[in-house]
Amino acid sequence: EIVLTQSPATLSLSSGERATLSCRASQSVSGIYLAWYQQKPGQAPRLLIYDASSRATGVPDRFSGSGSGTDFTLTISRLEPEDFAVYYCQQYGGSPQLTFGGGTKVEIK
Amino acid sequence: QPQLQESGPGLVKPSETLSLTCTVSGDSINQSPYYWGWIRQPPGKGLEWIGTVFYSGTTYYNPSLKSRLTISVDTSKNQFSLKLNSVTAADTAVYYCARHSGYPPYCGDDCYFYWYFDLWGRGTLVTASS
Repeated sequence: EIVLTQSPATLSLSSGERATLSCRASQSVSGIYLAWYQQKPGQAPRLLIYDASSRATGVPDRFSGSGSGTDFTLTISRLEPEDFAVYYCQQYGGSPQLTFGGGTKVEIK
Repeated sequence: QPQLQESGPGLVKPSETLSLTCTVSGDSINQSPYYWGWIRQPPGKGLEWIGTVFYSGTTYYNPSLKSRLTISVDTSKNQFSLKLNSVTAADTAVYYCARHSGYPPYCGDDCYFYWYFDLWGRGTLVTASS
């Protein structure tokens, strides 16, 4: 099983600031098969990024993803009020088990 | 835009079987290249992939749940279903159905999966309690 560790657990920032979220895999993720999701309280997760850096339909361009192998990053260039949420990474790099990270909560400072 | 909707009992007794159905609207399961499946989230915790089904009926399960799990598809109703038997309190969670995108699995001695989840139902809370 590939274990994904997200850091930090909580990120306290203000609107307009830049957010950088990390996702580290316990072993190399085949290719660039990593996705990012946003989840707000009481809602289902929403796909933001797939294939490490491709934005899903309708996702604003302030969201960007990068990385490969074991280290991946989600960047929100300028936080908007609606961006405060929990973010999860998920690997799908050809493993017998699809796994998610534990999440990073982006909260208002 | 297709939509997914979970349905089923919100309360299951320990040792009994949890049963949920996901109804897909706006897309036809048997004419779609997508895979379909289930993810769960215990209260206040992270996400866990449960398993996946293709319209042909082929299924793929999380190894940690495989012994208790059955996922099936009913293309005539445009639905797929989850059954998890011998539930315990640890199975209490919000259960989501989701459309899978990505690439077909590769199966040799084991299967390897290449899916992310691009469309989700709203989720349904199932509590395992007497």
